[in-house]
This record gives sequence, structure tokens and C-alpha cells, in this order.
Amino acid sequence: AQKITQTQPGMFVQEKEAVTLDCTYDTSDPSYGLFWYKQPSSGEMIFLIYQGSYDQQNATEGRYSLNFQKARKSANLVISASQLGDSAMYFCAMNLRAGSTLGRLYFGRGTQLTVWP
Amino acid sequence: EAQVTQNPRYLITVTGKKLTVTCSQNMNHEYMSWYRQDPGLGLRQIYYSMNVEVTDKGDVPEGYKVSRKEKRNFPLILESPSPNQTSLYFCASSPKAAHSATINQPQHFGDGTRLSIL
Repeated sequence: AQKITQTQPGMFVQEKEAVTLDCTYDTSDPSYGLFWYKQPSSGEMIFLIYQGSYDQQNATEGRYSLNFQKARKSANLVISASQLGDSAMYFCAMNLRAGSTLGRLYFGRGTQLTVWP
Repeated sequence: EAQVTQNPRYLITVTGKKLTVTCSQNMNHEYMSWYRQDPGLGLRQIYYSMNVEVTDKGDVPEGYKVSRKEKRNFPLILESPSPNQTSLYFCASSPKAAHSATINQPQHFGDGTRLSIL
């Protein structure tokens, strides 16, 4: 069963606008971590932001923020003031703390973001 | 510089010819993992290792082998490659999540190996 769902295969946003990339997750484990990674066309995976399941506040890192709604099991990435360099594939991922799955990352299928001038 | 190094970056080979993709990290991380990335499927875990001599299957282990004889190295072995193993492969490492305080350590990824099997 898929643990991470990204329902938007592609998104378009104009430069300087904000954009939200959706991510929902599925787990019964009370302890988990949620990550967002960026993959530009060059192919490398770049860590953007992390949210722990017990964190009281939404994570922020510069222009990136994570809209964490625990009851809805969603962890949407918000990029403010989009830049042309934000054009990339974005992956949502989750790891679980329970037992042998410690450290394993489950990825969604990704959202291709295109920023236009 | 802290990094995960994969080699080769690109490889074109033929069905059945054994190959090894090397992965090395210089951060003294306990945890290492291999993923494959295919269009529309995201990244799927092949194998992972919690520490030296400890490995376990991920979601798509068929056709692959790994070993973890040293902490820094985690090679991926394709004994008899087939065209359906054509993919982009990533190695990643992170500190061991020994307790909840380290759960937020992101995995560090290598630059990827693009593998084509004809």
C-alpha cells in the first residue's frame, strides 16, 4: 500500500507567486518524520525541509514552509516567491521510527514544478 | 567535504554481464540505502543497511545484491542485469536513528548512477 501520495503530477506557477505542492501520507505509527526533497534536471536529490510528527509548529526553511495537518495526514510544501530556479521535481517522503523500519524512507511519485517568467 | 560518492555515474551494458555500482560515504553514517528511480514511480528502496554486516530488503530487491563489509561502503551488485533494471540509481546515507532526537536527520544522497541495460 502506498504510504505517500502526491496527487499533482505537474504544477505551474508564475515567478514571484506562491505555490503549494500536496502530500498526504498513511501510517498508524504515532512517530514519523516527513521530508521534502527537490530534484532539479541535473538529477541530484536536495533536502529541503523536515517535519516531525510531534512537532507543534510547522517547519520553515527560508522560502519553504511545510503546512502540517496531522489529523488530515497531510504535509504540503509551500514555496513563497517562486523563482525560475525552483523549476524541478519535488518529492515528499516519510520515515517511521518503529522497529526495523527505522531510517527507511518512503517516497511519493513526485510533482514536477515549472516556474514561468 | 561531507559526501556520498557513487561510481560510475553513467553505464551502458548488455544483458547478463555482471556489474557493480559502488557507493562510499565519508560521514561515518551507520545507515545506508539504495534506491531506484523510474518515471512516474518516484524512488523505491532496493536494499538498506543499518550497520556493518546488517542488510535487509527494501521494496524492490529482486535481481540485486548488496554487501556491507565496511561502514563507509555499500556496493550494489547486479549479477545478471536485465533491461527492466534500466533506471536511475541513488545511494543514500544517514546517521543511525538510535533515538527520536536523530529521526530528523535527512538522508544524504549521491549524485545518481544512470544505468542502461541493452
